[in-house]
Amino acid sequence: SQQGEEDPQALSIQEGENATMNCSYKTSINNLQWYRQNSGRGLVHLILIRSNEREKHSGRLRVTLDTSKKSSSLLITASRAADTASYFCATVGVNDYKLSFGAGTTVTVRA
Amino acid sequence: DADVTQTPRNRITKTGKRIMLECSQTKGHDRMYWYRQDPGLGLRLIYYSFDVKDINKGEISDGYSVSRQAQAKFSLSLESAIPNQTALYFCATSDFRVGEQFFGPGTRLTVL
Repeated sequence: SQQGEEDPQALSIQEGENATMNCSYKTSINNLQWYRQNSGRGLVHLILIRSNEREKHSGRLRVTLDTSKKSSSLLITASRAADTASYFCATVGVNDYKLSFGAGTTVTVRA
Repeated sequence: DADVTQTPRNRITKTGKRIMLECSQTKGHDRMYWYRQDPGLGLRLIYYSFDVKDINKGEISDGYSVSRQAQAKFSLSLESAIPNQTALYFCATSDFRVGEQFFGPGTRLTVL
């Protein structure tokens, strides 16, 4: 079974707006990662946040982690057409080095 | 050149045929993984290998086998392909110490 669940399943926004997506998971984690996938292509790692971190930034990306709620959010600020993609959260368990992926959020940025 | 390569990129085969998907990496990573992706289900782990002598089943290993020929090569085989194995297959690698994985471009497999 999959560990992470993203919400919403799909998101459509205007260029320049912010996009926020959420991820919930079930069991304790070592870290949580976000990946991007352009249509039919390989996944690209965006950001990794460890279980003892609460917030992390990378360029226009901001990730938060709330281990008490077993949830994470990914914020993309000032979105661009090139941000159109599917975004996946993935968790690494405490005694594990395998990634467990959610089903993803499909983001469409309208010009 | 790409760090993680997969061959073939596209393959159409018939039910009952044996097929092998190959993955090569130049990142020098010990850990390699095979995933399949179906629409709406995200990625699911088929097999993984933490070094050349280590092979482990993932959550959906039935109907698949793997071979780790070298640190840089990890192959996935479908012994007798069936239509519900039609999917996008990804190979990935990771360093021992961190969780970040590096993905290949994928193989689109269609079983008729």
